[in-house]
Amino acid sequence: EAQVTQNPRYLITVTGKKLTVTCSQNMNHEYMSWYRQDPGLGLRQIYYSMNVEVTDKGDVPEGYKVSRKEKRNFPLILESPSPNQTSLYFCASSRQGAGTEAFFGQGTRLTVV
Amino acid sequence: AQSVTQLDSQVPVFEEAPVELRCNYSSSVSVYLFWYVQYPNQGLQLLLKYLSGSTLVKGINGFEAEFNKSQTSFHLRKPSVHISDTAEYFCAVSDQWDGTASKLTFGTGTRLQVTL
Repeated sequence: EAQVTQNPRYLITVTGKKLTVTCSQNMNHEYMSWYRQDPGLGLRQIYYSMNVEVTDKGDVPEGYKVSRKEKRNFPLILESPSPNQTSLYFCASSRQGAGTEAFFGQGTRLTVV
Repeated sequence: AQSVTQLDSQVPVFEEAPVELRCNYSSSVSVYLFWYVQYPNQGLQLLLKYLSGSTLVKGINGFEAEFNKSQTSFHLRKPSVHISDTAEYFCAVSDQWDGTASKLTFGTGTRLQVTL
């Protein structure tokens, strides 16, 4: 079954404690991205990757890091989380090129206290 | 750069009634247009998309949308909704000329609440 898998689904952490949210896809997609969803703001892109070892900033990259060492995996790293990073996070993957369908993970609800 | 405006944050509707969810976009270049649906506690899934050709696009679950270039709109419609259509709906655009990336720009979402 084609899918994008994120872990964990729910996470509560304290300010400043480094965390990683994992994302894996089994569709051999080149393009992967991370979004955060906040009430009234929709989904905003944090980082994206067009292929292995190729990553770039999206619209709201501050406070986040990513890596793409393997095609299937695209982890999101928060080195020093702050309360304003409390949000619902989604990983997505698609074939390269505009107009292609994006497949989304189930989401990770992060609370930073 | 593109932007997407979803004019209604919430749309309450009775079951079996018709519904229209509005979406307007702004872009300096040609775009592709999408509607995604998010059911409670789930990720987003594609409802339909407009790439080219007929301006009336049919999607899953009986939804359809019409691309209107002159009004820069891509409104989503369903002639008769069901309780199971209760969800959040997102309109999105991608740059048609950006051949090396697949970035989606999303609207703020419309919550469709269907009641008996």
